[in-house]
Amino acid sequence: ETGVTQTPRHLVMGMTNKKSLKCEQHLGHNAMYWYKQSAKKPLELMFVYNFKEQTENNSVPSRFSPECPNSSHLFLHLHTLQPEDSALYLCASSQDPAGGWTGELFFGEGSRLTVL
Amino acid sequence: KNEVEQSPQNLTAQEGEFITINCSYSVGISALHWLQQHPGGGIVSLFMLSSGKKKHGRLIATINIQEKHSSLHITASHPRDSAVYICAVLGGSNYKLTFGKGTLLTVNP
Repeated sequence: ETGVTQTPRHLVMGMTNKKSLKCEQHLGHNAMYWYKQSAKKPLELMFVYNFKEQTENNSVPSRFSPECPNSSHLFLHLHTLQPEDSALYLCASSQDPAGGWTGELFFGEGSRLTVL
Repeated sequence: KNEVEQSPQNLTAQEGEFITINCSYSVGISALHWLQQHPGGGIVSLFMLSSGKKKHGRLIATINIQEKHSSLHITASHPRDSAVYICAVLGGSNYKLTFGKGTLLTVNP
């Protein structure tokens, strides 16, 4: 079982559809993240959950709705998306040691989303 | 605002060549990361640096804190090294991880 697993790997949806991306981490980490990666742009942080509590919402439109039922699972619910939302969505996890976070992240393979 | 600039954006090399990718940042940091992303999409961590130099196989990463600059070197490059290499820094006033746009490396046989 790989450390961070994302499903589906590829998703095509219309602007009126509702779909969800799923992420599961098997590393025992306490924090999980959603990042968006668009062509020619740096990774953009969307949401951070720490011990299931959302600690960061980086001004993400409400058509993206995260859910974190426990420390191992993270979802991104999608509805009424726009074509410009087409991108690679990456899930990551981390563990915050006593000395403070070092910035080390463990990424999943990503979910490639195309909005028609 | 912490900016992370990588150069070059694209790099094509012949197998066996020595590769250098550069990363510059604008604010004080506590750590710098080099990441590798293969065409499939997944990102893996190569190095975490806060000072000096680290080596792992054919990869070498250096950082100069005073000059706010880091380099990633690949010796004896191989086609399997073809990937996007991403620099990320942890620091700044908001203690966030800031990413560069990445460098696309293509190594031809």
